[in-house]
Amino acid sequence: AQSVTQPDIHITVSEGASLELRCNYSYGATPYLFWYVQSPGQGLQLLLKYFSGDTLVQGIKGFEAEFKRSQSSFNLRKPSVHWSDAAEYFCAVGPLGGSARQLTFGSGTQLTVLP
Amino acid sequence: GAGVSQTPSNKVTEKGKYVELRCDPISGHTALYWYRQSLGQGPEFLIYFQGTGAADDSGLPNDRFFAVRPEGSVSTLKIQRTERGDSAVYLCASSLHGAGPMQAFFGQGTRLTVV
Repeated sequence: AQSVTQPDIHITVSEGASLELRCNYSYGATPYLFWYVQSPGQGLQLLLKYFSGDTLVQGIKGFEAEFKRSQSSFNLRKPSVHWSDAAEYFCAVGPLGGSARQLTFGSGTQLTVLP
Repeated sequence: GAGVSQTPSNKVTEKGKYVELRCDPISGHTALYWYRQSLGQGPEFLIYFQGTGAADDSGLPNDRFFAVRPEGSVSTLKIQRTERGDSAVYLCASSLHGAGPMQAFFGQGTRLTVV
């Protein structure tokens, strides 16, 4: 069975500081990995995805993530956080060629940005 | 419409009552998904429609939950004899037929509170 672990429930950073959100997954085959962001009152928005190729993927809003197969990780990073990045972030895993119904989400990391 | 629309945005109901949650997908999207997001958790798949038919309802927790999509567009999630444990945010997503998870667009959700 596939699973996703986001070990940090809540992270607080100062505006302008760098950010790394951790994600570890368990999956029996080649995973399809995603990061989503959810702002208050908003739906989930896809930040980036990975399924093959370069292990460092770029996403929207200046985010990037690195796939490390040996560590079963897909950590999300941003070099300089903006106040508008405050939101909840979800990592998800699914099968290649699968549909959205097969996504397994982590429990999320709530990001607070201090001025 | 421009995005996935869910109504109401908030719903408070008494234990034992019946509720309906509505999802209006992006025009032309044949695939529609319902998820449930409990407090402190990531979204969990409930049901998937392809057109008018429920292609996968394996995520529905019990027979109190039911969903329809009679004309292949708007969908309604129906919960009978609500229980306090049903309190959660119910998310809807839609995508083009055959599209993978990265092309699923999420609504802002309906927050259901059962008192």
